[in-house]
Amino acid sequence: AQKITQTQPGMFVQEKEAVTLDCTYDTSDPSYGLFWYKQPSSGEMIFLIYQGSYDQQNATEGRYSLNFQKARKSANLVISASQLGDSAMYFCAISAAGNKLTFGGGTRVLVKP
Amino acid sequence: DAEITQSPRHKITETGRQVTLACHQTWNHNNMFWYRQDLGHGLRLIHYSYGVHDTNKGEVSDGYSVSRSNTEDLPLTLESAASSQTSVYFCASSESTRSGTGNEQFFGPGTRLTVL
Repeated sequence: AQKITQTQPGMFVQEKEAVTLDCTYDTSDPSYGLFWYKQPSSGEMIFLIYQGSYDQQNATEGRYSLNFQKARKSANLVISASQLGDSAMYFCAISAAGNKLTFGGGTRVLVKP
Repeated sequence: DAEITQSPRHKITETGRQVTLACHQTWNHNNMFWYRQDLGHGLRLIHYSYGVHDTNKGEVSDGYSVSRSNTEDLPLTLESAASSQTSVYFCASSESTRSGTGNEQFFGPGTRLTVL
């Protein structure tokens, strides 16, 4: 079974600053994937970034980067140059064979102008 | 453009009634999933399907059923609705690959279900 832990229930960040969202995971599968999704107040789930367990380099997608530390079982999301539109819930998720996702409890981010 | 839709978007029902939530995707994805999200929490897997006539139980499947008669649709049925099933329900789909771990799931807009 897989497990995701997000220890930060909520955080404030100043506009234009960077913010790091913590995510630790637990799995016994040798091959797995790590995802981050954004859920704005409107409710939809928006895919942000993916990291495979065998990927050598950390994933980046625009202002999003994933700090993957396999030995520590962590997959932190870094959002650079925060914008007001980044205010949302952020979910870390893990998938193993079969592409089923197990989600963490989420971190609410509020960007202050 | 391909999309995934859910209907209804909002539903109020009474305890004990049967309810069916629809999910339709035009991505031609083999994999489809149903999740529920309770207030302030992440999503939990209810049922999933890897293709036509294939269905599997997820983490919180009690009281729910699904059927897959074609690629595009995976309806979720609550056999006898309970107040504990008040939640937001998300349908998702993804491609299927050999590794099965790295495929982005595309989510529908969600259905807010209230059981009184």
